[in-house]
Amino acid sequence: DTEVTQTPKHLVMGMTNKKSLKCEQHMGHRAMYWYKQKAKKPPELMFVYSYEKLSINESVPSRFSPECPNSSLLNLHLHALQPEDSALYLCASSNRDTGRHTFGSGTRLTVV
Amino acid sequence: QQQVKQSPQSLIVQKGGISIINCAYENTAFDYFPWYQQFPGKGPALLIAIRPDVSEKKEGRFTISFNKSAKQFSLHIMDSQPGDSATYFCAATPTQGGSEKLVFGKGTKLTVNP
Repeated sequence: DTEVTQTPKHLVMGMTNKKSLKCEQHMGHRAMYWYKQKAKKPPELMFVYSYEKLSINESVPSRFSPECPNSSLLNLHLHALQPEDSALYLCASSNRDTGRHTFGSGTRLTVV
Repeated sequence: QQQVKQSPQSLIVQKGGISIINCAYENTAFDYFPWYQQFPGKGPALLIAIRPDVSEKKEGRFTISFNKSAKQFSLHIMDSQPGDSATYFCAATPTQGGSEKLVFGKGTKLTVNP
């Protein structure tokens, strides 16, 4: 079982919808990440939160809005997405001392 | 300097054979080198990782070889099994200096035939 839990596992949304992806970890990691992964490609970093503050935004469009309510939770708010945003969205957390990153199972997002 | 180059893109091995995947990096600040295994529809799972102070690390059938001077590292899967069929990503990150980015290779799709 993964130590990073993502919900929902699957999401279908229209281009005018607003939805949120959720991620939770209880390993005490102080860095949390959102990645986007397209088929046959490596994960692509979107956002990094370090000690609950946004530390890296990889020039992600504003229709993706991250939020870190506390050290265990990470959300990704979605609004007015495009069909090309359909992908596997992965959450991860890491131990900054060791560099070890743990990934969740992902949310398969389809934008119609 | 941020790239990690991975080869081959795909690999087909017979059951019981050895699978070898290679990666090369340029950024000398990288000091943690993990390999991830990913099955379709799942998140990447850490398989094995190494730091540059050792040249080899073995865990069961999986071995990482590391060549610091050449800035290369490789994954060897001994006695490959059909259940090993997955996509493998090498990665690298600096654990010092504040950067928290994992830099991934492009991935290798491994198929192990029965």
